[in-house]
Amino acid sequence: QMQLQESGPGLVKPLETLSLTCTVSGGSISSGTYHWGWIRQPPGRGLEWIGSINYRGDTYYNPSLKSRVTTSIDASRNQFSLILRSMTAADTAVYYCGRTNWDSSTGPWDYWGQGSLVTVSS
Amino acid sequence: IQMTQSPSTLSASIGDRVTITCRASQSVSVWVAWYQQKPGRAPNLLIYRASDLQSGVPSRFSGSGSGTEFTLTISSLQPDDFATYYCQQYQYNSYSAFGQGTKVEIK
Repeated sequence: QMQLQESGPGLVKPLETLSLTCTVSGGSISSGTYHWGWIRQPPGRGLEWIGSINYRGDTYYNPSLKSRVTTSIDASRNQFSLILRSMTAADTAVYYCGRTNWDSSTGPWDYWGQGSLVTVSS
Repeated sequence: IQMTQSPSTLSASIGDRVTITCRASQSVSVWVAWYQQKPGRAPNLLIYRASDLQSGVPSRFSGSGSGTEFTLTISSLQPDDFATYYCQQYQYNSYSAFGQGTKVEIK
Protein backbone atom coordinates (compact mmCIF):
# COMPACT_ATOMS: atom_id res chain seq x y z
CA GLN A 1 0.00 0.00 0.00
CA MET A 2 1.47 3.32 -1.06
CA GLN A 3 2.00 5.89 1.66
CA LEU A 4 3.00 9.54 1.47
CA GLN A 5 4.43 11.57 4.36
CA GLU A 6 5.04 15.31 4.48
CA SER A 7 7.91 16.79 6.47
CA GLY A 8 8.98 20.36 7.13
CA PRO A 9 8.67 23.26 9.56
CA GLY A 10 5.42 23.96 11.30
CA LEU A 11 6.19 27.67 11.67
CA VAL A 12 7.48 30.11 9.08
CA LYS A 13 8.11 33.83 9.52
CA PRO A 14 6.45 36.34 7.19
CA LEU A 15 8.30 36.86 3.90
CA GLU A 16 10.42 33.77 4.48
CA THR A 17 10.47 30.65 2.31
CA LEU A 18 8.63 27.40 3.06
CA SER A 19 10.29 24.12 2.14
CA LEU A 20 8.33 20.88 2.41
CA THR A 21 9.29 17.35 1.40
CA CYS A 22 7.04 14.38 0.67
CA THR A 23 8.50 10.89 1.12
CA VAL A 24 6.81 8.08 -0.80
CA SER A 25 6.86 4.49 0.44
CA GLY A 26 5.28 1.34 -0.91
CA GLY A 27 5.96 2.26 -4.52
CA SER A 28 8.46 3.96 -6.79
CA ILE A 29 8.07 7.64 -7.61
CA SER A 30 9.60 6.86 -11.01
CA SER A 31 7.10 4.22 -12.09
CA GLY A 32 4.05 4.91 -14.15
CA THR A 33 2.88 8.20 -15.60
CA TYR A 34 1.52 9.72 -12.42
CA HIS A 35 2.02 13.24 -11.18
CA TRP A 36 3.09 14.13 -7.66
CA GLY A 37 1.79 17.33 -6.21
CA TRP A 38 0.76 19.65 -3.45
CA ILE A 39 -2.68 20.77 -2.27
CA ARG A 40 -3.35 23.07 0.67
CA GLN A 41 -6.28 23.85 2.95
CA PRO A 42 -6.46 26.95 5.16
CA PRO A 43 -8.01 26.25 8.57
CA GLY A 44 -11.76 25.77 8.24
CA ARG A 45 -11.71 26.39 4.49
CA GLY A 46 -11.60 24.56 1.18
CA LEU A 47 -8.87 22.96 -0.90
CA GLU A 48 -6.47 24.63 -3.33
CA TRP A 49 -4.16 22.93 -5.81
CA ILE A 50 -0.63 24.40 -5.64
CA GLY A 51 1.41 22.53 -8.21
CA SER A 52 2.65 19.18 -9.51
CA ILE A 53 5.65 17.39 -11.00
CA ASN A 54 6.14 14.08 -12.80
CA TYR A 55 9.12 11.71 -12.77
CA ARG A 56 10.49 13.40 -15.90
CA GLY A 57 10.59 16.71 -14.01
CA ASP A 58 7.74 18.38 -15.93
CA THR A 59 6.14 20.95 -13.64
CA TYR A 60 2.69 22.54 -13.59
CA TYR A 61 1.57 25.27 -11.22
CA ASN A 62 -1.61 27.05 -10.15
CA PRO A 63 -1.44 30.38 -12.03
CA SER A 64 -2.31 32.28 -8.84
CA LEU A 65 0.80 30.91 -7.10
CA LYS A 66 3.13 30.29 -10.03
CA SER A 67 5.45 33.23 -9.33
CA ARG A 68 6.23 31.93 -5.82
CA VAL A 69 6.28 28.14 -6.28
CA THR A 70 8.91 25.61 -7.26
CA THR A 71 8.54 21.83 -7.15
CA SER A 72 11.32 19.28 -7.56
CA ILE A 73 11.74 15.52 -7.53
CA ASP A 74 14.50 13.24 -6.19
CA ALA A 75 13.89 9.76 -7.54
CA SER A 76 16.92 8.32 -5.73
CA ARG A 77 15.29 9.17 -2.41
CA ASN A 78 11.71 8.57 -3.59
CA GLN A 79 10.88 12.14 -2.57
CA PHE A 80 9.46 15.30 -4.07
CA SER A 81 9.52 18.79 -2.64
CA LEU A 82 7.74 22.15 -2.55
CA ILE A 83 9.24 25.59 -2.17
CA LEU A 84 6.88 28.53 -1.56
CA ARG A 85 8.50 31.92 -1.32
CA SER A 86 7.49 35.19 0.33
CA MET A 87 5.09 33.57 2.79
CA THR A 88 2.29 35.63 4.33
CA ALA A 89 -0.46 34.93 6.85
CA ALA A 90 -2.71 34.00 3.92
CA ASP A 91 -0.44 31.00 3.29
CA THR A 92 -1.22 29.50 6.71
CA ALA A 93 -2.73 26.11 5.89
CA VAL A 94 -2.49 22.35 6.09
CA TYR A 95 -0.27 21.31 3.19
CA TYR A 96 -0.95 17.90 1.66
CA CYS A 97 1.18 16.00 -0.80
CA GLY A 98 -0.54 13.62 -3.18
CA ARG A 99 -0.45 11.48 -6.29
CA THR A 100 -2.75 11.72 -9.31
CA ASN A 101 -4.30 8.54 -10.60
CA TRP A 102 -3.34 9.15 -14.25
CA ASP A 103 -1.11 11.20 -16.52
CA SER A 104 -2.41 14.62 -15.51
CA SER A 105 -0.86 17.17 -13.19
CA THR A 106 -4.15 18.44 -11.83
CA GLY A 107 -5.87 15.34 -10.53
CA PRO A 108 -7.70 13.43 -9.47
CA TRP A 109 -5.71 12.64 -6.33
CA ASP A 110 -5.92 9.01 -5.19
CA TYR A 111 -3.15 8.95 -2.59
CA TRP A 112 -2.64 11.67 0.02
CA GLY A 113 -0.24 12.39 2.83
CA GLN A 114 -1.65 13.01 6.29
CA GLY A 115 -1.06 16.74 5.97
CA SER A 116 1.36 19.20 7.57
CA LEU A 117 0.10 22.35 9.29
CA VAL A 118 2.20 25.37 8.41
CA THR A 119 1.61 28.60 10.31
CA VAL A 120 3.01 31.92 9.16
CA SER A 121 3.75 34.14 12.13
CA SER A 122 6.55 36.26 13.51
CA ILE B 1 -13.20 27.89 -14.12
CA GLN B 2 -15.09 28.05 -10.82
CA MET B 3 -16.98 25.22 -9.15
CA THR B 4 -20.05 26.08 -7.08
CA GLN B 5 -21.39 23.41 -4.74
CA SER B 6 -24.85 23.26 -3.23
CA PRO B 7 -26.00 23.05 -0.59
CA SER B 8 -23.20 24.19 1.71
CA THR B 9 -24.72 22.20 4.57
CA LEU B 10 -27.11 19.29 4.43
CA SER B 11 -28.93 17.64 7.34
CA ALA B 12 -29.99 14.04 6.77
CA SER B 13 -30.87 10.83 8.58
CA ILE B 14 -29.45 7.33 8.33
CA GLY B 15 -30.91 5.62 5.27
CA ASP B 16 -31.72 8.87 3.42
CA ARG B 17 -30.85 9.36 -0.23
CA VAL B 18 -28.53 12.36 -0.41
CA THR B 19 -27.67 14.45 -3.47
CA ILE B 20 -24.97 17.11 -3.73
CA THR B 21 -24.65 19.30 -6.82
CA CYS B 22 -21.63 21.01 -8.33
CA ARG B 23 -21.89 23.54 -11.15
CA ALA B 24 -18.96 24.64 -13.30
CA SER B 25 -18.72 28.22 -14.62
CA GLN B 26 -18.00 26.74 -18.06
CA SER B 27 -17.94 23.27 -19.56
CA VAL B 28 -15.42 20.86 -18.07
CA SER B 29 -16.61 17.83 -20.07
CA VAL B 30 -16.45 14.90 -17.60
CA TRP B 31 -13.33 15.99 -15.76
CA VAL B 32 -14.83 16.13 -12.29
CA ALA B 33 -13.91 14.23 -9.15
CA TRP B 34 -15.58 13.96 -5.75
CA TYR B 35 -13.85 13.60 -2.39
CA GLN B 36 -14.96 12.88 1.18
CA GLN B 37 -13.10 14.54 4.03
CA LYS B 38 -13.47 13.90 7.74
CA PRO B 39 -12.14 16.31 10.42
CA GLY B 40 -8.37 16.18 10.78
CA ARG B 41 -7.99 13.79 7.85
CA ALA B 42 -6.89 14.06 4.24
CA PRO B 43 -9.58 13.95 1.55
CA ASN B 44 -10.49 10.53 0.14
CA LEU B 45 -11.21 10.11 -3.58
CA LEU B 46 -14.70 8.71 -4.20
CA ILE B 47 -15.52 9.38 -7.87
CA TYR B 48 -13.42 10.44 -10.86
CA ARG B 49 -14.22 11.27 -14.47
CA ALA B 50 -17.69 12.31 -13.26
CA SER B 51 -19.03 8.78 -12.71
CA ASP B 52 -16.19 6.27 -12.23
CA LEU B 53 -16.16 4.74 -8.75
CA GLN B 54 -12.71 4.68 -7.15
CA SER B 55 -11.53 1.23 -6.11
CA GLY B 56 -12.60 0.32 -2.58
CA VAL B 57 -15.38 2.92 -2.37
CA PRO B 58 -18.82 1.53 -1.42
CA SER B 59 -21.31 1.24 -4.27
CA ARG B 60 -23.83 3.47 -2.45
CA PHE B 61 -21.77 6.38 -3.80
CA SER B 62 -22.38 7.37 -7.41
CA GLY B 63 -21.65 10.33 -9.64
CA SER B 64 -23.25 11.71 -12.76
CA GLY B 65 -23.18 14.67 -15.08
CA SER B 66 -21.22 16.30 -17.86
CA GLY B 67 -20.57 19.78 -19.15
CA THR B 68 -21.42 22.15 -16.34
CA GLU B 69 -23.63 20.23 -13.92
CA PHE B 70 -22.55 17.31 -11.77
CA THR B 71 -24.11 15.30 -8.97
CA LEU B 72 -22.83 13.10 -6.17
CA THR B 73 -25.46 10.75 -4.77
CA ILE B 74 -25.35 8.60 -1.65
CA SER B 75 -28.13 6.07 -2.11
CA SER B 76 -28.59 5.20 1.58
CA LEU B 77 -26.71 7.35 4.07
CA GLN B 78 -24.64 5.41 6.60
CA PRO B 79 -23.12 6.59 9.92
CA ASP B 80 -19.64 6.64 8.35
CA ASP B 81 -20.83 9.06 5.64
CA PHE B 82 -21.20 12.14 7.84
CA ALA B 83 -18.37 14.29 6.51
CA THR B 84 -17.61 17.16 4.15
CA TYR B 85 -17.69 16.50 0.41
CA TYR B 86 -15.77 18.40 -2.26
CA CYS B 87 -16.02 18.40 -6.02
CA GLN B 88 -12.96 19.14 -8.15
CA GLN B 89 -12.62 20.00 -11.80
CA TYR B 90 -9.31 19.02 -13.34
CA GLN B 91 -8.21 20.10 -16.78
CA TYR B 92 -5.47 17.96 -18.27
CA ASN B 93 -2.12 19.52 -17.36
CA SER B 94 -3.78 22.90 -17.14
CA TYR B 95 -5.86 24.05 -14.22
CA SER B 96 -7.79 22.68 -11.28
CA ALA B 97 -10.34 24.08 -8.87
CA PHE B 98 -12.25 22.64 -5.96
CA GLY B 99 -15.77 23.47 -4.87
CA GLN B 100 -16.26 25.12 -1.49
CA GLY B 101 -17.52 21.92 0.14
CA THR B 102 -20.80 20.45 1.43
CA LYS B 103 -21.02 19.36 5.03
CA VAL B 104 -23.38 16.43 5.62
CA GLU B 105 -24.70 16.52 9.18
CA ILE B 106 -26.90 14.27 11.27
CA LYS B 107 -30.52 15.40 11.30
